[in-house]
Amino acid sequence: AQSVTQLDSQVPVFEEAPVELRCNYSSSVSVYLFWYVQYPNQGLQLLLKYLSGSTLVKGINGFEAEFNKSQTSFHLRKPSVHISDTAEYFCAVSGSNQGGKLIFGQGTELSVKP
Amino acid sequence: DAGVTQSPTHLIKTRGQQVTLRCSPISGHKSVSWYQQVLGQGPQFIFQYYEKEERGRGNFPDRFSARQFPNYSSELNVNALLLGDSALYLCASSGDRGNSPLHFGNGTRLTVT
Repeated sequence: AQSVTQLDSQVPVFEEAPVELRCNYSSSVSVYLFWYVQYPNQGLQLLLKYLSGSTLVKGINGFEAEFNKSQTSFHLRKPSVHISDTAEYFCAVSGSNQGGKLIFGQGTELSVKP
Repeated sequence: DAGVTQSPTHLIKTRGQQVTLRCSPISGHKSVSWYQQVLGQGPQFIFQYYEKEERGRGNFPDRFSARQFPNYSSELNVNALLLGDSALYLCASSGDRGNSPLHFGNGTRLTVT
């Protein structure tokens, strides 16, 4: 079984500042890792994914994440945020043989202030 | 190309009633998954269907059921609705490969009164 912990429920940050949203996971099998973003009254949009290979993954909208197997972490970063990045961000994990079944964290609300 | 479409967008039901939610996957996607997202929480896995067969089921009571049709669209049914069933129900589709990411629809907001 897998589980995901997002370490911050809310992250307030000023526009153009860097941000890191933290995610730890646990699993007894190989995993795939994902970050999704959810804007108000919408579904989830995939930001980036780690399947294998390079541990630094680049996604859309200038976001990137680093897979750290020894620390079982997959933190999301952006060097300079915009007001439009204000949204709920979800980290998710699936077993490598369990496509379609994602385990989500509780979410981190990113609030970008001018 | 059209993304994942869900209908209806909003629904209000009374306790004890039954509800059917519908989902059309992205063209070419044969796998459909359903998730429940209660306000303030992350989505929770309910079902996955692939080629009309159930591939996985989450920890939900038997009041929840689903099916997938030959055109890969899907329905989620919930019987004997409880107040706690109020949530955003998300449908996602994915391609054939095991590592294909999920593409989500905008969801159906169900309110049970």
